[in-house]
Amino acid sequence: GAVVSQHPSRVICKSGTSVKIECRSLDFQATTMFWYRQFPKKSLMLMATSNEGSKATYEQGVEKDKFLINHASLTLSTLTVTSAHPEDSSFYICSASSQTNSPLHFGNGTRLTVT
Amino acid sequence: SQQGEEDPQALSIQEGENATMNCSYKTSINNLQWYRQNSGRGLVHLILIRSNEREKHSGRLRVTLDTSKKSSSLLITASRAADTASYFCATVLYNQGGKLIFGQGTELSVKP
Repeated sequence: GAVVSQHPSRVICKSGTSVKIECRSLDFQATTMFWYRQFPKKSLMLMATSNEGSKATYEQGVEKDKFLINHASLTLSTLTVTSAHPEDSSFYICSASSQTNSPLHFGNGTRLTVT
Repeated sequence: SQQGEEDPQALSIQEGENATMNCSYKTSINNLQWYRQNSGRGLVHLILIRSNEREKHSGRLRVTLDTSKKSSSLLITASRAADTASYFCATVLYNQGGKLIFGQGTELSVKP
């Protein structure tokens, strides 16, 4: 089955530093990837839609300059949390689909802790 | 913004019993999907039902969709302890590039 690899699975960083999270589709080409954020015992909140070769589309309320998304190839999207603050601590999950309106394949998520 | 409302928020049952989770949504959809999430992990796709379908089965899973009421239900029959997880419904809206909007989820606990 389709596999999405997300790395790192866990990261601890200091306030003010930046963290990059990678999301790769291993056995299919993903023209679109989605980035979600999840708080403990809460649902997934869509942050942005990442399209290969173009700028990401951010959901309302998500800071573009804080969460930089790059989708440089059909198999790789990255999310960079810039100048991280403790309130950015969360579980970030990427997902990808090989076809519009088809099921999404999710990475295993990245637990970010900002101290 | 989140579209789906799910109930119950938490459900605790014994092994062998059936578990029913409900999901409601607000706008027209292309399809509705159910996902499962084990604690601290990514999501696993369970089943997809299109807007022109009313019922779908997959193993011990049965999903219904009522577009007139904008609601769906997921039934897990003969539950097992391994079914313990969070379950989310998610809707794909028309003309939104396939993005998935998740409901609040139901935390299912199946006791052996």
